[in-house]
Amino acid sequence: EVQLVESGGGSVQPGGSLRLSCAASGFTFSSYWMHWVRQAPGKGLVWVSRISSDGSSTTYADSVKGRVTISRDNAKNTLYLQMNSLRAEDTAVYYCAKESTSFVTGTFHFDSWGQGTLVTVSS
Amino acid sequence: DIQMTQSPSSLSASVGDRVTITCRASQSSSRSLNWYQQKPGKAPKLLIFAASRLLTGVPSRFSGSGSGTDFTLTISSLQPEDFATYYCQQTYSSPLTFGGGTKVEIK
Repeated sequence: EVQLVESGGGSVQPGGSLRLSCAASGFTFSSYWMHWVRQAPGKGLVWVSRISSDGSSTTYADSVKGRVTISRDNAKNTLYLQMNSLRAEDTAVYYCAKESTSFVTGTFHFDSWGQGTLVTVSS
Repeated sequence: DIQMTQSPSSLSASVGDRVTITCRASQSSSRSLNWYQQKPGKAPKLLIFAASRLLTGVPSRFSGSGSGTDFTLTISSLQPEDFATYYCQQTYSSPLTFGGGTKVEIK
């Protein structure tokens, strides 16, 4: 069974930093692209970042570019999100998600999600 | 960026009703469109991928259609466990974007 378990969330002051982790199990972690998605309280889903299976390729939403770094340790089956210069608008539940590709359709989707970890940025 | 617009943003329906949610992309997403269901306090769950492909294990009352810029999620006969918020997502181009969500409530 695929499991994704996020940790590292908490309360931080504006300008502070946090590192989120996502521990993966139940699948060959090193074979899959991974993503972070966030959801502000009472709001919709917003894609944050993705990383290739080997970690060589990363992409970011404009809203976090330059402040956030996605990385992974395939030996530890863990995905990370280093968040710096945090702002009030970064307050959200952060989900990690596993990307799955359909070779029939040539498209991809998020077939597994973690339970989320809450980041609160407030003075 | 491809903007995804869902409508309605909320709806009230009764058990057994047929429910249709639409998602419009600001530019073509081909068939790179997924639908997720989210219940309060829970992570989203994938229902449909590639616009119309039902994920294994998802009840057949859910269906998706469309291509290009206009997509539809249909629940043929609403069940109590279907009351939730539904999101579309395009994966045609980066940044990946979600619709604003449609909350399906009990009438």
